[in-house]
Amino acid sequence: AQSVTQLDSQVPVFEEAPVELRCNYSSSVSVYLFWYVQYPNQGLQLLLKYLSGSTLVKGINGFEAEFNKSQTSFHLRKPSVHISDTAEYFCAVMDTNAGKSTFGDGTTLTVKP
Amino acid sequence: NAGVTQTPKFRILKIGQSMTLQCTQDMNHNYMYWYRQDPGMGLKLIYYSVGAGITDKGEVPNGYNVSRSTTEDFPLRLELAAPSQTSVYFCASSWDGGANVLTFGAGSRLTVL
Repeated sequence: AQSVTQLDSQVPVFEEAPVELRCNYSSSVSVYLFWYVQYPNQGLQLLLKYLSGSTLVKGINGFEAEFNKSQTSFHLRKPSVHISDTAEYFCAVMDTNAGKSTFGDGTTLTVKP
Repeated sequence: NAGVTQTPKFRILKIGQSMTLQCTQDMNHNYMYWYRQDPGMGLKLIYYSVGAGITDKGEVPNGYNVSRSTTEDFPLRLELAAPSQTSVYFCASSWDGGANVLTFGAGSRLTVL
């Protein structure tokens, strides 16, 4: 079994400030890790993924995330946010054997001018 | 454009009615999934399929049924709709359920009154 905990349900931040969205996971098997973004009234889109190799992964729109195996975390960061980054962000883990993803409850990022 | 198409986008049902949410993908993906998203919550897996003729239950299958007669289509059937099934439903697909990311449809918002 696997689970995902997104530690912040809402993160308000001012434009051009840095942001970190936190994600912890637990799993008894090997997993892949993902961050998805959901804009209002749309489906989810992939931001970035970690499969193996370098623990720092870069995604679209200037986002990056760092995999920390010892802390079982996969936090998402952006050095300078824009108004257009306002959205819901979901962390997900996928069991490499079963092909099923488990999602966190989401973090609402609100960027203020 | 290639992708996952869901219909209808919106639907209101009365308690006890039945309906089918349609999902079609044109990417020749083997894996298909149905998720529901309740307010302030992450996505919960209802059913998934690893190929035509093969389906399996996810976390919250009660009250739903699926079939996968073709690679392209993965309809979700609601029998005897209940208010607890009020949610936004997302269909998704992926090539092989492994490291490949999920491609999501735009969602179907269902209200049961």
